[in-house]
Amino acid sequence: DVKVTQSSRYLVKRTGEKVFLECVQDMDHENMFWYRQDPGLGLRLIYFSYDVKMKEKGDIPEGYSVSREKKERFSLILESASTNQTSMYLCASSRQGHRDTQYFGPGTRLTVL
Amino acid sequence: AQTVTQSQPEMSVQEAETVTLSCTYDTSESDYYLFWYKQPPSRQMILVIRQEAYKQQNATENRFSVNFQKAAKSFSLKISDSQLGDAAMYFCAYRSRNNNNDMRFGAGTRLTVKP
Repeated sequence: DVKVTQSSRYLVKRTGEKVFLECVQDMDHENMFWYRQDPGLGLRLIYFSYDVKMKEKGDIPEGYSVSREKKERFSLILESASTNQTSMYLCASSRQGHRDTQYFGPGTRLTVL
Repeated sequence: AQTVTQSQPEMSVQEAETVTLSCTYDTSESDYYLFWYKQPPSRQMILVIRQEAYKQQNATENRFSVNFQKAAKSFSLKISDSQLGDAAMYFCAYRSRNNNNDMRFGAGTRLTVKP
């Protein structure tokens, strides 16, 4: 079974703090993704990576950055957290093939006070 | 850009009965994939069913089946013999065959199953 894990299920931070969310997958997937999930908006793509050190902006990259130094690990960074970044963050991974689906982690519910 | 619309924010069904969740999408492409994902409360999102646009036959997975109407750009999910464990948020998603990094999600439908 594919396993995608995220470093925290719940996180509370203060405005202005630097926040790191980490995601690890164990299936040697090339692609990794960070989504933000908000009620009524579904999932929106923040960033994705198709290889080590490679990244592409998604629909809502503002206020976020990412890092992929190893194939299995993809980090989402909030340089200076703001209250409007309070949300559920989902990581996903997939193979490169066009037939392949994405596998999701359990999510991190981030609250910025 | 492709968009996915789920017009039912909430649905409920009696245990053992059948429920249909609606999804429509907008695209100019002819070849793509459609997905239904399930997100149980406080649990991981998992794939329920997948449909490839070039296949006319509707996908089925046990009690889950889809009604794929390509011309109408409609992709509904039917859950038969509903169980308490089916209670979850359900997301419809679209992905182009040409760009497997760009998956578009609907807003979700929260399904409640009544005992």
